[in-house]
Order: sequence, then C-alpha cells, then structure tokens
Amino acid sequence: KQEVTQIPAALSVPEGENLVLNCSFTDSAIYNLQWFRQDPGKGLTSLLLIQSSQREQTSGRLNASLDKSSGRSTLYIAASQPGDSATYLCAVAKSGGSYIPTFGRGTSLIVHP
Amino acid sequence: DTAVSQTPKYLVTQMGNDKSIKCEQNLGHDTMYWYKQDSKKFLKIMFSYNNKELIINETVPNRFSPKSPDKAHLNLHINSLELGDSAVYFCASSPRGARYEQYFGPGTRLTVT
Repeated sequence: KQEVTQIPAALSVPEGENLVLNCSFTDSAIYNLQWFRQDPGKGLTSLLLIQSSQREQTSGRLNASLDKSSGRSTLYIAASQPGDSATYLCAVAKSGGSYIPTFGRGTSLIVHP
Repeated sequence: DTAVSQTPKYLVTQMGNDKSIKCEQNLGHDTMYWYKQDSKKFLKIMFSYNNKELIINETVPNRFSPKSPDKAHLNLHINSLELGDSAVYFCASSPRGARYEQYFGPGTRLTVT
C-alpha cells in the first residue's frame, strides 16, 4: 500500500527566503506525482505535474524534482512571498490499473513579511 | 467561468438524513472524482468515474452512492448520515484518469449533528 509522507508538517519563514518542501513515497511504481496548494477553506490548485519519466518541472518561481528510485520529490520555492502562504500537498498516482492517487498530509507554509 | 463547481458549499444536517452533493465540470474532461478531507486535513479518494463508468471505489460504505448522468456531472448521494461523515468533500476532474493533471472544485463542508 502506497504511503506518502510530507516533511516538514509546518514551516514559517520570512519573506524572500528560498525554501524546499519534501515528499516521500514508499512504492516507486508510480505514474506521476502532482503538487498542489490549498488555501484555507478552498479547493486544491494544481501547481506542477511530473510524469515518472521526468526528473523535474518548473513553473515561475516553483521547481519540482522527482527521484523515483529513492521515492522522493521536492518542491523548491524561490524568493518566497506572503502570497505563497498555504498548505502544499503532493499526490502520487500508482501505475497500472486505475491510477489511484494517494495524498500526503501536506506542509503548512507561512511566509511572513 | 468556474471549471469545477459544487453545490452546496455548506451542508448542515442531522444524523439519519439523506443528502446529495452535486458536481459539474465544464472542462470537457472524461474522468471525475470524489474525495473526502477529514478534520485532520487528510485527503482520500472515494470514487472515480470515467465517461460515466465507475472505475474506482475505495472501500466506501454502501451508504455513499455516486451517480453520473453524463460525463460533465458526478453527484454524491449519502444515505443515513452519521457523525463520522462530517468532512469536506471535494469533486475533481481530469482529462483521462489520474495520469493527467487534476482540477478540484471548491469543496462542500458537510456537518452532521
């Protein structure tokens, strides 16, 4: 059974810092990994989707990497801003069959001015 | 235009009642999902439909019954509501299975008293 762990559970940083969020998974037979952000009381917004054959994806100040063999992904946020404050979730889609996604419990990020 | 919409946004009801949550997507996606996010913010897939056909049913009690009248709609009906059903329910869609990027609705907060 796939287990997804996100470390740290919470993070508070001053504005302008570069930061790294971690996601690890136990079963490397994945099809893809997706990073989301969730604002309080809102739904999830997709940030980046990395297919299992890819090593990284970039969007603006965000860069996500994937090391399937070690069961790890990192989300790098450059020059953090208060608007980045949210909960960041990673979801891993199992390969084969119905591609069932398994979510981590998220990292709650606060960027203070 | 809202891509994935859910109604109602809030639902407060008593134990034993039957209620429905509606979901619609205007993205032309083939696959739709229902997720449950519990009080500890853990997000878990409940159902997935592809072109109106059920493809994932993740150990959800029989009291929960999804219905897809067409590929743009996936409704969730819950019979005999229990206190433990209180959670936020999210609908999502993707072009064709979890191998593709998922788009989430804003969520329905269900409170059972």
